[in-house]
Amino acid sequence: NAGVTQTPKFQVLKTGQSMTLQCAQDMNHNSMYWYRQDPGMGLRLIYYSASEGTTDKGEVPNGYNVSRLNKREFSLRLESAAPSQTSVYFCASSEVPTVNTEAFFGQGTRLTVV
Amino acid sequence: AQKITQTQPGMFVQEKEAVTLDCTYDTSDPSYGLFWYKQPSSGEMIFLIYQGSYDQQNATEGRYSLNFQKARKSANLVISASQLGDSAMYFCAMRERTGNQFYFGTGTSLTVIP
Repeated sequence: NAGVTQTPKFQVLKTGQSMTLQCAQDMNHNSMYWYRQDPGMGLRLIYYSASEGTTDKGEVPNGYNVSRLNKREFSLRLESAAPSQTSVYFCASSEVPTVNTEAFFGQGTRLTVV
Repeated sequence: AQKITQTQPGMFVQEKEAVTLDCTYDTSDPSYGLFWYKQPSSGEMIFLIYQGSYDQQNATEGRYSLNFQKARKSANLVISASQLGDSAMYFCAMRERTGNQFYFGTGTSLTVIP
């Protein structure tokens, strides 16, 4: 079982460059999420998608856009990368929003913006 | 206000001893779920244990147990018989019925000493 697959695993960008982080899940989950992880700050939600066709802002959406391409795929785009976006990015998915279902995470993308 | 608070940035425990990692939460939703995740140095997020707000008994999963004190809004993780492989970052998280987000704490870094 692949679970949640993120690509790429590592990326270095120059300030101002754009890129898209890809995420796909094969568990038929409705909900998908993008988090960033910074030292001492835990995981902070960037955007989430409760179901195909819907997206909502999380705690730290500025500088990012997302696309829920279909039920499987949820991409995160940085239009003009900034050093403050240097972070580890995690995609996650879960079943329909019930409190007793955990989130499944991808392996993470380590992004450095220079 | 922080939804999840983990006040121990770092903890040390002797191998084979038990350790408690603290987590307090804040919600007005009567229905919620509490989760603990482990993040080893390799970076992946591993789901450990779940506790529902209506569960009468504390959750247990092997060497992991959750000390759930609803009135105090705390959900501490207890790891018994610590092993060297338990050295990792541990995150507490919450999911409310009325939202679709997982809220994470800032994490506790656990080091098991031989």
